[in-house]
Amino acid sequence: GESVGLHLPTLSVQEGDNSIINCAYSNSASDYFIWYKQESGKGPQFIIDIRSNMDKRQGQRVTVLLNKTVKHLSLQIAATQPGDSAVYFCAENGYSSASKIIFGSGTRLSIRP
Amino acid sequence: DAGVIQSPRHEVTEMGQEVTLRCKPISGHDYLFWYRQTMMRGLELLIYFNNNVPIDDSGMPEDRFSAKMPNASFSTLKIQPSEPRDSAVYFCASSLTAYEQYFGPGTRLTVT
Repeated sequence: GESVGLHLPTLSVQEGDNSIINCAYSNSASDYFIWYKQESGKGPQFIIDIRSNMDKRQGQRVTVLLNKTVKHLSLQIAATQPGDSAVYFCAENGYSSASKIIFGSGTRLSIRP
Repeated sequence: DAGVIQSPRHEVTEMGQEVTLRCKPISGHDYLFWYRQTMMRGLELLIYFNNNVPIDDSGMPEDRFSAKMPNASFSTLKIQPSEPRDSAVYFCASSLTAYEQYFGPGTRLTVT
């Protein structure tokens, strides 16, 4: 369904530790998934994507894991830095309009010094 | 490239007034999206264009909202008349592939 964000879940992580942000998607027909990062006062920024024919994809310090069986997506950030503080959104396609993606409600990542 | 440009960055208006938000996409991008972000509803897609043609406007809340893209380098989102519940941050995004979208800085709209 559409994204709903009354209260954002927050993940607090010690600087230098790894972060894992989870997302449950709703549409089993979705075949493309994206993670976006939104810093305070800015627009969302593309981080990494993954297609449904893959279960893992790695970028620079980030890894996305996809489990289609349970419709679960996760974003792993290695060696978390203060600059990683932001709200992270997962997004999926698979809706009637081919080029349309739907954003999840987001998770706020907070870094402890 | 300067990225997606939106104007104004902040808009405060009174209920009943017309509001026009503007967007300049990244040159060469074929897709343009308008989103609205609120605490209650998160990030919602309002409408998107492909090659200047509106493809999906199912997210436009009601007839008070309209969007145009007269050419590849400019789009507007208009609200007439505006209401307090329209208060939100409105984002424009553009992309080559539809999925890897580049967002502008947003326009924070306050309707009193």
